[in-house]
Amino acid sequence: GENVGLHLPTLSVQEGDNSIINCAYSNSASDYFIWYKQESGKGPQFIIDIRSNMDKRQGQRVTVLLNKTVKHLSLQIAATQPGDSAVYFCAEALKTSYDKVIFGPGTSLSVIP
Amino acid sequence: DADVTQTPRNRITKTGKRIMLECSQTKGHDRMYWYRQDPGLGLRLIYYSFDVKDINKGEISDGYSVSRQAQAKFSLSLESAIPNQTALYFCATSDLSQELFFGEGSRLTVL
Repeated sequence: GENVGLHLPTLSVQEGDNSIINCAYSNSASDYFIWYKQESGKGPQFIIDIRSNMDKRQGQRVTVLLNKTVKHLSLQIAATQPGDSAVYFCAEALKTSYDKVIFGPGTSLSVIP
Repeated sequence: DADVTQTPRNRITKTGKRIMLECSQTKGHDRMYWYRQDPGLGLRLIYYSFDVKDINKGEISDGYSVSRQAQAKFSLSLESAIPNQTALYFCATSDLSQELFFGEGSRLTVL
């Protein structure tokens, strides 16, 4: 399943499928990007980050892609599991400005067993 | 035990009351933050502190104040609560990296 931009804040995928969550960031000067996962009743938790000198970074079952030309960030989750159900936030920041971490509104991912 | 602990977890209060939300951390981080979360708006920064003597306003500081009592403690106060301050509040910490470690949140309802 895939959502496009921030106009579709809810994404439902079948267990085992791959998920793609998209994010359009606002500041062309941003050079650090982060994805956070927030499970129900909990605080956001860091998933993966990427610096602007990279266009792809992989973690365990997750991949972040960065397209600076169109100011677009995506989070790919492989073989989505029920435990992946959560709200996912992208965030952007200037590398030198810790107070300028700007969070997106979030995308709710629901995994259908 | 949680590394970042917030109290209270839930609070209902009336307009005009003074409210304090407390945050303590065992991560040993110098940097602490208070965020507010509203549905569809993500998280917005209220105040942040890089050490005990450092306090900085964030994006939405009006109506709020903070106190950094120690490296491990950072409290958020609403001097006179109003209904549009009803929200979920998160404390977070970080070290020199920009990875934020969040508490589990304090849900505040102002009637």
